Amino acid sequence: KQEVTQIPAALSVPEGENLVLNCSFTDSAIYNLQWFRQDPGKGLTSLLLIQSSQREQTSGRLNASLDKSSGRSTLYIAASQPGDSATYLCAAILTGGGNKLTFGTGTQLKVEL
Amino acid sequence: SQTIHQWPATLVQPVGSPLSLECTVEGTSNPNLYWYRQAAGRGLQLLFYSVGIGQISSEVPQNLSASRPQDRQFILSSKKLLLSDSGFYLCAWRADSRSSYEQYFGPGTRLTVT
Repeated sequence: KQEVTQIPAALSVPEGENLVLNCSFTDSAIYNLQWFRQDPGKGLTSLLLIQSSQREQTSGRLNASLDKSSGRSTLYIAASQPGDSATYLCAAILTGGGNKLTFGTGTQLKVEL
Repeated sequence: SQTIHQWPATLVQPVGSPLSLECTVEGTSNPNLYWYRQAAGRGLQLLFYSVGIGQISSEVPQNLSASRPQDRQFILSSKKLLLSDSGFYLCAWRADSRSSYEQYFGPGTRLTVT
C-alpha cells in the first residue's frame, strides 16, 4: 500500500526566503506526482504535475522535482511571499484503475512579513 | 475552459438524516470523476471514483454511496448519516486521456453532522 509522508508538517519563514517542501512515498512504482495548494476552507489548486519520465517541472517561482529511486519529491518556492501561505499537499498517482491519488498529510506554510 | 461545481457549500445535518451532495463538471466530456473526504486531523481520503456513467468504484467501505446518472454529474449519498461522516467533501475530475493525469478539484462541501 502506497504511503505518502510530508515533512515538515508546519513551516514559518520570513518573506523573501527560498524554501523547500519535502514529500516521500513508499512505492517507487508511482506513475506521476502532483503538487497542490489548499487555502483554509477551500478546495485544492493544482500547482504542478510531474510525470514518471520527468525529473522536474517549473511554473513561475515554483519548481518540483521527482526522484523515483529514492522515493522523494521536493517543491521549491523561490522568493516566498505572504500570499504563498497555505497548506501544500503532494499526491502520488498510481497507474490503472482510475489513476487514483494517494495524498500526503500536507505542510502548512506561513510566510511572514 | 473546464469548471467544476459542488453544492451545497456548507451543510449541517442531524445524525440519522439522509445526505445528497452534487458535483457537476462543465467544458469536458467523459471525465473521470472522484469523491474525496478530508476529515479534521486526517489527510484526504479517496471515497469513490467513476470512469463512466453508471460505473462506480468504492475505495472505503462505509455508509456512503455514489452515483453517476449523467456523464458530467457525480452524486454522493447516504441514507443515514453518522457523526463520523463530518468532514470536507471534495469532488475532482480528470480528462479521459492517456496523456492527461492531472486532477482538478471543486470548491468542496463542508458537512457537519450533529
